[in-house]
Amino acid sequence: AQSVTQPDIHITVSEGASLELRCNYSYGATPYLFWYVQSPGQGLQLLLKYFSGDTLVQGIKGFEAEFKRSQSSFNLRKPSVHWSDAAEYFCAVEDGNQFYFGTGTSLTVIP
Amino acid sequence: DVKVTQSSRYLVKRTGEKVFLECVQDMDHENMFWYRQDPGLGLRLIYFSYDVKMKEKGDIPEGYSVSREKKERFSLILESASTNQTSMYLCASSWEQGTPYEQYFGPGTRLTVT
Repeated sequence: AQSVTQPDIHITVSEGASLELRCNYSYGATPYLFWYVQSPGQGLQLLLKYFSGDTLVQGIKGFEAEFKRSQSSFNLRKPSVHWSDAAEYFCAVEDGNQFYFGTGTSLTVIP
Repeated sequence: DVKVTQSSRYLVKRTGEKVFLECVQDMDHENMFWYRQDPGLGLRLIYFSYDVKMKEKGDIPEGYSVSREKKERFSLILESASTNQTSMYLCASSWEQGTPYEQYFGPGTRLTVT
């Protein structure tokens, strides 16, 4: 069965610092990969997605992610974090029928 | 913009009550989903539907049922609410099955069962 692992439950970064959130997946075929963000008390908003092609994908709010097939990873990055980026981040893989979500990484941004 | 709306943001019910959570999407999406979200467990799929009157069990369907009488509306039903169903419930929709489309989420309903 497909699965997604986000090894970091919680990350704290200083405002202006760079950020990398890790995501590893288990899926036999070509994965369709997503990153979502959830602000407190809100639903999930799509940050970016990878279906095929260029392995470095750009998303909204200055985020990017890189697909590495050899490592089964799809890590999310941002060069300079803003206080408004504090939220929960979910990685997901889709197999054409269902989504499989990771357990999420909670991001705290300190001034 | 795609819009997915859920009937309530917060709901408090008593044990044993029948609870209806409603979800409506305005983009003519074929697929609709119900998840529950709990700390440390992420999102878990309860039920999904890929067409009117069609439904499929997800990973945790026990204690829940669903109804999809119209394409735009997908209801989650708790026949007899229990305290272990206290959770955040998220509805989502997407385009047709078998193609990689992102899911669009509603704002969630935080249900407390006392």
